[in-house]
Amino acid sequence: EAGVTQSPTHLIKTRGQQATLRCSPISGHTSVYWYQQALGLGLQFLLWYDEGEERNRGNFPPRFSGRQFPNYSSELNVNALELEDSALYLCASSLGRAPSEQYFGPGTRLTVT
Amino acid sequence: AQSVTQPDIHITVSEGASLELRCNYSYGATPYLFWYVQSPGQGLQLLLKYFSGDTLVQGIKGFEAEFKRSQSSFNLRKPSVHWSDAAEYFCAVGDQGGSEKLVFGKGTKLTVNP
Repeated sequence: EAGVTQSPTHLIKTRGQQATLRCSPISGHTSVYWYQQALGLGLQFLLWYDEGEERNRGNFPPRFSGRQFPNYSSELNVNALELEDSALYLCASSLGRAPSEQYFGPGTRLTVT
Repeated sequence: AQSVTQPDIHITVSEGASLELRCNYSYGATPYLFWYVQSPGQGLQLLLKYFSGDTLVQGIKGFEAEFKRSQSSFNLRKPSVHWSDAAEYFCAVGDQGGSEKLVFGKGTKLTVNP
């Protein structure tokens, strides 16, 4: 069974540009989560999508947004990139009903210059 | 608000020695607890989870963890560490049974000496 996949592996952008990160969940999983792992800040919850709807978001500005498609894959968009957005962005998926564990993808390393 | 504390930022052990990584949580309801491991530049791999029942849970790679409600702890243990266990370990508490967000500790980096 394939795990959570993310693309691209690495992404280099300039400050002010937009970044789009993609995630495909494990087959059968309806929930997708996004986390940011920035140096010195640890793992922070960004967004949770379930059945195509945004269910919860962390303490991040509105320029962090995303969506979930009918096939449950997801996109994370970061607009007006800032240097401090440089981080590893991790996507996870779960069955979406409690209790359930989250399975993580390999991440996308975003570098903003 | 829920929180997780991993008191040890960095631990060094010799190969073959036993290991215990500490985790304390703060959560108002029944906690759903997880341990993940992350190798450099990689994603997180689930080692084990606690939802309910037996307070000693077994995971992959020979790891186990014990849930102690009275101490608000969920420490990870391994009787004999292998060089391949060198990585960063994260404890997490799940909101609403893990179906919503996970709140992570800051992590403990494990170094294994030959």
